Amino acid sequence: NAGVTQTPKFQVLKTGQSMTLQCAQDMNHEYMSWYRQDPGMGLRLIHYSVGAGITDQGEVPNGYNVSRSTTEDFPLRLLSAAPSQTSVYFCASSRGGEKLFFGSGTQLSVL
Amino acid sequence: GQQLNQSPQSMFIQEGEDVSMNCTSSSIFNTWLWYKQEPGEGPVLLIALYKAGELTSNGRLTAQFGITRKDSFLNISASIPSDVGIYFCAGRPDTGTASKLTFGTGTRLQVTL
Repeated sequence: NAGVTQTPKFQVLKTGQSMTLQCAQDMNHEYMSWYRQDPGMGLRLIHYSVGAGITDQGEVPNGYNVSRSTTEDFPLRLLSAAPSQTSVYFCASSRGGEKLFFGSGTQLSVL
Repeated sequence: GQQLNQSPQSMFIQEGEDVSMNCTSSSIFNTWLWYKQEPGEGPVLLIALYKAGELTSNGRLTAQFGITRKDSFLNISASIPSDVGIYFCAGRPDTGTASKLTFGTGTRLQVTL
């Protein structure tokens, strides 16, 4: 039972570098989303998708891109990393958008 | 955007004590959920609530959907060390897959022996 798999677990970037955070789910869920978690801020929605080929912005989308070419995968791209993007990133999926299953997170540091 | 305020921000309790925490919103929600996050892991769903006034239990956990639809409460009875973690409330204003969950800022629970 893999559920939601995120890679990498940890990443250190220099300012200006780009990278992709990977997320895959094996539950055939239509809904997938990315959140960032910062101390005292809870979880904030970055982007979400209601199905393959459909994506939309969440609360804090600036500096991030997403695409959804398959039901299983929902990668998050940082175009030009900034120190303000230092955070823990969580991918989540669900059948109906509310009972989210979360991955174990990616801890990102931007120097 | 919508904001969810959780209180208290943190709690230090002794094993065996009961715990209460709450979550309030600036607007009406039609769904309330409670999640628990353990260190190094993603949040895990504990309880989902769908109707104003609803009271739902999951073992030693009991959650309530407030009558005003702007708040929710979580109680943990007879706490044990494995209850340690961050508890998040989350709400959604309407149904449908496009409706986005809003998360609270979390209540950090520490249990001492």
